[in-house]
Amino acid sequence: QQQVKQSPQSLIVQKGGISIINCAYENTAFDYFPWYQQFPGKGPALLIAIRPDVSEKKEGRFTISFNKSAKQFSLHIMDSQPGDSATYFCAASIAGGTSYGKLTFGQGTILTVHP
Amino acid sequence: DAGVTQSPTHLIKTRGQHVTLRCSPISGHKSVSWYQQVLGQGPQFIFQYYEKEERGRGNFPDRFSARQFPNYSSELNVNALLLGDSALYLCASSLARSSSYEQYFGPGTRLTVT
Repeated sequence: QQQVKQSPQSLIVQKGGISIINCAYENTAFDYFPWYQQFPGKGPALLIAIRPDVSEKKEGRFTISFNKSAKQFSLHIMDSQPGDSATYFCAASIAGGTSYGKLTFGQGTILTVHP
Repeated sequence: DAGVTQSPTHLIKTRGQHVTLRCSPISGHKSVSWYQQVLGQGPQFIFQYYEKEERGRGNFPDRFSARQFPNYSSELNVNALLLGDSALYLCASSLARSSSYEQYFGPGTRLTVT
């Protein structure tokens, strides 16, 4: 019920290409879906987040697409750059109960952007 | 503004010892959460503290404990260390407890248990 499944495990993209990472969840009580970017030896950095009342959110080159009926959401990175090479995590949190504010993370996707 | 700070950066301990990790949240943030990140995996929730009280606990043994101080900084304590406790321990702060507020992570403390 609390799992968030992320794919692919790793992704290689050429500079200028589009990177797409997908996540799926089971618990319909999740109401907040952030994406984090993590570089080696660093903590995760909040990239972009979405709530179930919208189907898409765009910030610069980063877009989240959200499909509530399919219980899926994805991160699109347009014009991918070598500096985007990092591990990306999707996450979800639930309102209410003992899990209030707790983030449940996917397993991560290692993105490599070749110059 | 300074982000979330954690200390120490790295730590090496022996099995059976105990360890204390420290976290200072972003100024104005009242909620602190602790996560454990094993190499190659996503962070796993350990605790959430809000207004100095434990508000949530993940699936971790009683060897793990934490507290939050009046200035909203926090400590994570782990007793009777096991090899499997080797991980990056992350602290995240947010304005309040609700999922309406973004959580910002610190750089983490890398704990190695030998």
